[in-house]
Amino acid sequence: EVQLVESGGGLVQPGRSLRLSCTASGFTFGDYAMSWVRQAPGKGLEWVGFIRSKAYGGTTEYAASVKGRFTISRDDSKSIAYLQMNSLKTEDTAVYYCTSAVTTPDAFDIWGQGTMVTVSS
Amino acid sequence: QSVLTQPPSASGTPGQRVTISCSGSSSNIGSNYVYWYQQLPGTAPKLLIYRNNQRPSGVPDRFSGSKSGTSASLAISGLRSEDEADYYCAAWDDSLSGSHVVFGGGTKLTVL
Repeated sequence: EVQLVESGGGLVQPGRSLRLSCTASGFTFGDYAMSWVRQAPGKGLEWVGFIRSKAYGGTTEYAASVKGRFTISRDDSKSIAYLQMNSLKTEDTAVYYCTSAVTTPDAFDIWGQGTMVTVSS
Repeated sequence: QSVLTQPPSASGTPGQRVTISCSGSSSNIGSNYVYWYQQLPGTAPKLLIYRNNQRPSGVPDRFSGSKSGTSASLAISGLRSEDEADYYCAAWDDSLSGSHVVFGGGTKLTVL
């Protein structure tokens, strides 16, 4: 079964850091780009960024709202994607989903269950 | 403010056909594919439509997508109570700073 499972969420103070993990199973992780999407409480979806597969250079792209503070990386040997979040702000409070295009050419066709990040003092 | 514009709400009665619009610009919808996602309360989003009008395996043919110029729409025919959810459109946006994904603000569909 194709599956993504996020972990690492929790309560963190403004200005601190947190690292989220997305563990994949059921597909050849290294062949696919991995994205992060977040959803603030009661709000819509916001794309955070993605990391390309090694075949496409493993490069990253980020939303303007997180560029310079968030870093996406991947460990293909462990089938895990990471979202390192630094200098967290209260407005980063959200459910964070990892997602990927596995069964379709370029759509987010598999999603994790999400992990909640609360930034508050 | 979301880059893609959707109506905040839509409604219909069982059996009806409803459409949800999504408006963008030349850098996103005008030059890239449109995707639609359904999010039931308390759950992760689910892909409904990809590449403007393609349905993933398992999505009923009651759901259909279309695109024209810088706008797109999702149509749901034979409306059912289980279709009550939030619907989001999305597209890649080719801006000067690189490729990004942009979402609409979401449309809450109520089945009356």
